[in-house]
Amino acid sequence: GAVVSQHPSWVICKSGTSVKIECRSLDFQATTMFWYRQFPKQSLMLMATSNEGSKATYEQGVEKDKFLINHASLTLSTLTVTSAHPEDSSFYICSASTASYEQYFGPGTRLTVT
Amino acid sequence: GNSVTQMEGPVTLSEEAFLTINCTYTATGYPSLFWYVQYPGEGLQLLLKATKADDKGSNKGFEATYRKETTSFHLEKGSVQVSDSAVYFCALFSGGYNKLIFGAGTRLAVHP
Repeated sequence: GAVVSQHPSWVICKSGTSVKIECRSLDFQATTMFWYRQFPKQSLMLMATSNEGSKATYEQGVEKDKFLINHASLTLSTLTVTSAHPEDSSFYICSASTASYEQYFGPGTRLTVT
Repeated sequence: GNSVTQMEGPVTLSEEAFLTINCTYTATGYPSLFWYVQYPGEGLQLLLKATKADDKGSNKGFEATYRKETTSFHLEKGSVQVSDSAVYFCALFSGGYNKLIFGAGTRLAVHP
């Protein structure tokens, strides 16, 4: 149990376009979802926390207008990278949490902006 | 604020060697502690956890004991395998912040 999926697993887009990444909890309802960014050989950086039906809480330094997060249901959250640029290229990982503190991580999405 | 410090890698070992990856933390209150593992190109998998002082988490031959007096949660395995090659992250969860705080990660490479 406690499986989290992400789609797509890998995406290439041109500079200036927008990309949407989906995060789904497949067999449980997630009260909270988290979005992380990971640069090569580095740790995870929390970007934002979202609760179903409410606005996401962004970490300091993360542009909320650039990284749009929607948590439409208890099983789905989306991250949209708007007007992507090469510096947005990264590995994006989501996690989902139930009422307890445990987080279950998705497999990640590798974004390459050309 | 809360923070996690891990030993720098990479750690390179021969198969069947003993593994220790050090992790210390700074936190207010009584955090829960975790070790996650990340295989190349994948997300994170929970390896083990401990929720209170003196708890020992264990899984797949890995162990870590929550030591409040030394604020540590060192990861150990008695005999590593090539398949253990991955990046290991120590993390803490503090309810007051409602988020995981990760260490920098330690890359482990095990050679036959």
